[in-house]
Amino acid sequence: DAMVIQNPRYQVTQFGKPVTLSCSQTLNHNVMYWYQQKSSQAPKLLFHYYDKDFNNEADTPDNFQSRRPNTSFCFLDIRSPGLGDAAMYLCATSSFGGSGANVLTFGAGSRLTVL
Amino acid sequence: GQNIDQPTEMTATEGAIVQINCTYQTSGFNGLFWYQQHAGEAPTFLSYNVLDGLEEKGRFSSFLSRSKGYSYLLLKELQMKDSASYLCAVVDSNYQLIWGAGTKLIIKP
Repeated sequence: DAMVIQNPRYQVTQFGKPVTLSCSQTLNHNVMYWYQQKSSQAPKLLFHYYDKDFNNEADTPDNFQSRRPNTSFCFLDIRSPGLGDAAMYLCATSSFGGSGANVLTFGAGSRLTVL
Repeated sequence: GQNIDQPTEMTATEGAIVQINCTYQTSGFNGLFWYQQHAGEAPTFLSYNVLDGLEEKGRFSSFLSRSKGYSYLLLKELQMKDSASYLCAVVDSNYQLIWGAGTKLIIKP
């Protein structure tokens, strides 16, 4: 089945220790997104790629970086995690530019705990 | 600023009907989504409305009034598995998704 896969599902790190979260997709979608979601809050868009074009949200901290080496893979790097970065990180994909709704397909998420 | 308002939490009884409202103020409008999110899981797509009116899909229906900046999600014949958060999201004039914080729906037997 075509899908969006995130690894790891659960990540525990220490304050300040870098973390990398990965996302892969078999949908061949041209857009990939990284969202941060804290408990009972709306998902917050960190950045997205339209093909190879990187789009950073204005309020995304510099502590968050991303890479998209090819269509199928995208990575979220948190260079120095703080306690406030503990959250669920959601990767999503969409096929923008076609007709109809730009429906996002989400991965299962990576839950980050910072000790 | 852009804003999506939904009730924080609702409670309903198994077998009953519940309506979850969403009001929005956004810069432009290019459609409205409803997503379902079970606790600790990713959101999954439920419905999309871009024109006024009611879209029915099985037990779930979604309604849109663009002039009122209003939508609702109607869930019929509630089942325990419908216990989840329901997220309203609006596509603005720049095709950015503006998300609501979600409505946590609790189903009681």
